[in-house]
Amino acid sequence: NAGVTQTPKFRILKIGQSMTLQCTQDMNHNYMYWYRQDPGMGLKLIYYSVGAGITDKGEVPNGYNVSRSTTEDFPLRLELAAPSQTSVYFCASSRDRVMGYGYTFGSGTRLTVV
Amino acid sequence: KQEVTQIPAALSVPEGENLVLNCSFTDSAIYNLQWFRQDPGKGLTSLLLIQSSQREQTSGRLNASLDKSSGRSTLYIAASQPGDSATYLCAVIRQSNTGKLIFGQGTTLQVKP
Repeated sequence: NAGVTQTPKFRILKIGQSMTLQCTQDMNHNYMYWYRQDPGMGLKLIYYSVGAGITDKGEVPNGYNVSRSTTEDFPLRLELAAPSQTSVYFCASSRDRVMGYGYTFGSGTRLTVV
Repeated sequence: KQEVTQIPAALSVPEGENLVLNCSFTDSAIYNLQWFRQDPGKGLTSLLLIQSSQREQTSGRLNASLDKSSGRSTLYIAASQPGDSATYLCAVIRQSNTGKLIFGQGTTLQVKP
């Protein structure tokens, strides 16, 4: 079982460049999430999705966009990268919407914007 | 606004010691609280989940307690081992949210042989 797969694992971007962080899960979970983790901090929610075609903003959505065309994939798009977006990005999926059971995290994408 | 705080930020103990990690949250209206483990360069692994109606959960050498009225949770690790070295994060799901976790900043634990 692959679980939640994120690519790439590392990336360096120049200010103003754009990129897409890929996230795929093979557990048929409806609920998917993107979090970012800054050094010494907990994770903050960027966007989430409760099913294909449905997305919504989290705590820190500015500078990001998402789409959910299939159950498996939930890519995160960074437009016009800024140094403040230097962070580790985690994708996660869950089986249950409210109770939080079956939360599975990817191994993360470490992004540096210079 | 729900805020989650973990104290201490870092902890270093000798092998074999019993230890307690603390987590506090400002809004007692939660569905559940989870403790996660994060190893360097890796994702998060769920350790224990406590429903709002429960007081504690146990898994092996780990015991997590929840006191909603005081907004506190503790993670007790018995007979610590070097393999327990990691960052431990607590997170809550609010009653008004849909599966969204609100995280504390984590406690980084080092267990010395």
